[in-house]
Amino acid sequence: DAMVIQNPRYQVTQFGKPVTLSCSQTLNHNVMYWYQQKSSQAPKLLFHYYDKDFNNEADTPDNFQSRRPNTSFCFLDIRSPGLGDAAMYLCATSGGGDIQYFGAGTRLSVL
Amino acid sequence: SQQGEEDPQALSIQEGENATMNCSYKTSINNLQWYRQNSGRGLVHLILIRSNEREKHSGRLRVTLDTSKKSSSLLITASRAADTASYFCATDAGGFKTIFGAGTRLFVKA
Repeated sequence: DAMVIQNPRYQVTQFGKPVTLSCSQTLNHNVMYWYQQKSSQAPKLLFHYYDKDFNNEADTPDNFQSRRPNTSFCFLDIRSPGLGDAAMYLCATSGGGDIQYFGAGTRLSVL
Repeated sequence: SQQGEEDPQALSIQEGENATMNCSYKTSINNLQWYRQNSGRGLVHLILIRSNEREKHSGRLRVTLDTSKKSSSLLITASRAADTASYFCATDAGGFKTIFGAGTRLFVKA
């Protein structure tokens, strides 16, 4: 059974057109993460939530925002996507321990 | 800054051979994890080793940790074509955060 679900799997947007990626979880985990991963690179943490407490990484551009309306859902908003934002976006959850559970990812293309 | 660095960057072996991947890190850790990522998919947790452990096994996986050298290795024995994937080490960074290395891309030829 899928435990961390990301929608859509593939997203195409236009340069500068806002886009929202979604993540849901059935694990009831406190912590939810968003990572950006470019080809052949390590996943890079953008931000994470502990419950409703938002934690932004210092080098995450202001162009990236997030919302967590409840325990199960978390959204990544890219306000004005640039060509450099084309990447795989990974959502993950953790029950407050060390192991993270990842969704299958959303591959974003920017035209 | 990136905590874990892995080598080799890519590894190609024949089915049935063993695959060894190494990870080095820079600061003290509480634990180190290994994850696997199939092409175009999310990461899957494989194994966690704590700083007071030296070796851990899970099926065909064997992980070692040397905190004095700040390094870890992942050994996959009797590899299969289905083991073809990228493998990442990850270290705890405090505050529920984990930092991933750049990964080793493993190709297992049938």
